[in-house]
Amino acid sequence: GAGVSQSPSNKVTEKGKDVELRCDPISGHTALYWYRQSLGQGLEFLIYFQGNSAPDKSGLPSDRFSAERTGGSVSTLTIQRTQQEDSAVYLCASSLAGAFNTDTQYFGPGTRLTVL
Amino acid sequence: GQNIDQPTEMTATEGAIVQINCTYQTSGFNGLFWYQQHAGEAPTFLSYNVLDGLEEKGRFSSFLSRSKGYSYLLLKELQMKDSASYLCAVKGYSTLTFGKGTMLLVSP
Repeated sequence: GAGVSQSPSNKVTEKGKDVELRCDPISGHTALYWYRQSLGQGLEFLIYFQGNSAPDKSGLPSDRFSAERTGGSVSTLTIQRTQQEDSAVYLCASSLAGAFNTDTQYFGPGTRLTVL
Repeated sequence: GQNIDQPTEMTATEGAIVQINCTYQTSGFNGLFWYQQHAGEAPTFLSYNVLDGLEEKGRFSSFLSRSKGYSYLLLKELQMKDSASYLCAVKGYSTLTFGKGTMLLVSP
């Protein structure tokens, strides 16, 4: 597609359930990033992929959060045993060449996660 | 680590000029980005500065002073559609660190 796509656009879940969020980057972009945006807060970096490997996962808030990327394309962010504080908009971005280059990151529309 | 400060809110009138400031303290610097984010939408790229000085792009300009850890985004001939949040982001060694954003409200 022309831009970064994410699914689902909205997800409501119960506390304790696991959720999977999907990101399809722009075709040909080797770098992929996950961010979280909570109400009134800035974008919080979670994890960065270069190809299928994750050289920087320093932003993952706990071991309940994990992510993978396959085929150098689609990425899935998994949150296990969701908590109410996980409620936020999860944004994915991709860039052409990667974090050690100054390439612009292009964002998807996000997944709004609500944990009841 | 990185610390980025920008005002929380600003208001301006249609047709006017507004300047949104951003100050930063970083452990590494590989450029500063400005993004625009309308409510409920994804951030969209506006500008990038890595050298000191002014970058102009139509109605939008961005300025950087690395020695002062300071940038501003200048919006001219404001339009109602410019009402949005403006995010300042600094590229460190590997990733972007974002400020909390400045909500700009443009009134008629």
